[in-house]
Amino acid sequence: AQSVTQLGSHVSVSEGALVLLRCNYSSSVPPYLFWYVQYPNQGLQLLLKYTTGATLVKGINGFEAEFKKSETSFHLTKPSAHMSDAAEYFCAVIPNTGGFKTIFGAGTRLFVKA
Amino acid sequence: NAGVTQTPKFQVLKTGQSMTLQCAQDMNHEYMSWYRQDPGMGLRLIHYSVGAGITDQGEVPNGYNVSRSTTEDFPLRLLSAAPSQTSVYFCASSLTRGGNEQFFGPGTRLTVL
Repeated sequence: AQSVTQLGSHVSVSEGALVLLRCNYSSSVPPYLFWYVQYPNQGLQLLLKYTTGATLVKGINGFEAEFKKSETSFHLTKPSAHMSDAAEYFCAVIPNTGGFKTIFGAGTRLFVKA
Repeated sequence: NAGVTQTPKFQVLKTGQSMTLQCAQDMNHEYMSWYRQDPGMGLRLIHYSVGAGITDQGEVPNGYNVSRSTTEDFPLRLLSAAPSQTSVYFCASSLTRGGNEQFFGPGTRLTVL
């Protein structure tokens, strides 16, 4: 069965430092790929997604992610962290086999230090 | 558009009580789903629906019922609340065509005593 692995349940960075959140999926057929963000006491919202085409995807708030088929990865990055980026981030996939159910990773909580 | 709305925002129940969590969307999405979120466990799918009159179980359906009489509404019923159902519940909706993201409601925080 398809699964999503997020390395690190907690990541801490200093303000202005690079943010790197890791995501790997298990599938021989590349799925549709998503990153969602959840701010405290709110629902999830879409940061960015990859469906087809260019493998480097830009999202909201300066985030981007690169789909690497050979590594079955979809890591999320941001060059310079801001205090407002502190949140929980979820990687998710939809199998590209005609399905529509989303499979979520366990989430990574990002802490940003002043 | 209001997007996905959920009521109530907070609820406290006693063991054995029943209640219904409401969810509605105004985006004409075919697919609607209910998740529960518990610390360290991410989001777990409870039930989902691909259209009015069609529902199916997710990975943790026990103790919950759903129905989908209209495209807009997808209520979640707790039949006899248990402390293990203390959680934050999210409703989400999307189009069923491949690659479409889900839109989430603000959540309902449920405590069962």
